[in-house]
Amino acid sequence: EVQLVESGGGLIQPGGSLRLSCAASGFTVNSNYMSWVRQAPGKGLEWVSVIYSGGSTYYADSVKGRFTISRDNSKNTLYLQMNSLRAEDTAVYYCARDRADGTQHYWYFDLWGRGTLVTVSS
Amino acid sequence: SYVVTQTPSVSVAPGKTARITCGGNNIGSKSVHWYQQKAGQAPVVVIYYDSDRPSGIPERFSGSNSGNTATLTISRVEAGDEADYYCQVWDSSTAHWVFGGGTKLTVL
Repeated sequence: EVQLVESGGGLIQPGGSLRLSCAASGFTVNSNYMSWVRQAPGKGLEWVSVIYSGGSTYYADSVKGRFTISRDNSKNTLYLQMNSLRAEDTAVYYCARDRADGTQHYWYFDLWGRGTLVTVSS
Repeated sequence: SYVVTQTPSVSVAPGKTARITCGGNNIGSKSVHWYQQKAGQAPVVVIYYDSDRPSGIPERFSGSNSGNTATLTISRVEAGDEADYYCQVWDSSTAHWVFGGGTKLTVL
């Protein structure tokens, strides 16, 4: 079955660090553009970061310099290392796959995980 | 960076037509994608590339995009269509995916 399963969320104090994981099955993470998208409680969707199949990475301005996206090809898993966490980082974090057919990319998300909740609070 | 805006809420009676708009500077030159998010669930794409519908999405869902406004149209609205709807574009100048603020569709 093609799916994404996030883990690693929890309660963390401001200034702390947390690493989220997203395990993929049914397809290969390193052949796709994989993103993290977050949603603060009661708020809209916010794109956070992407890692391209070639390894290039991009970040939203709100997290640049604090978050790092990476992947482990042997585990077929995507990660988000979050440092210097702030209250405003509190959100459900989704991993999502950009649709692709071979080398053709479509720039929208065709597969989402169920999300993992990160709460930054003292 | 590119900004897209949505009306926060739309209300419609069952059986009627709902129109949800997404505004942006010359958005007609970009491809717009629409997601439906029901309470407690992950988003699901309902329209991609302005007007294409993924398999499994009812024909009642349609989209258009021209000028400064993209529109998601839901015909013969059902109670099960009640959800938050988000438009999304890809901003090539920053290589960022950009979401609108979302529209809450209420079925009266």
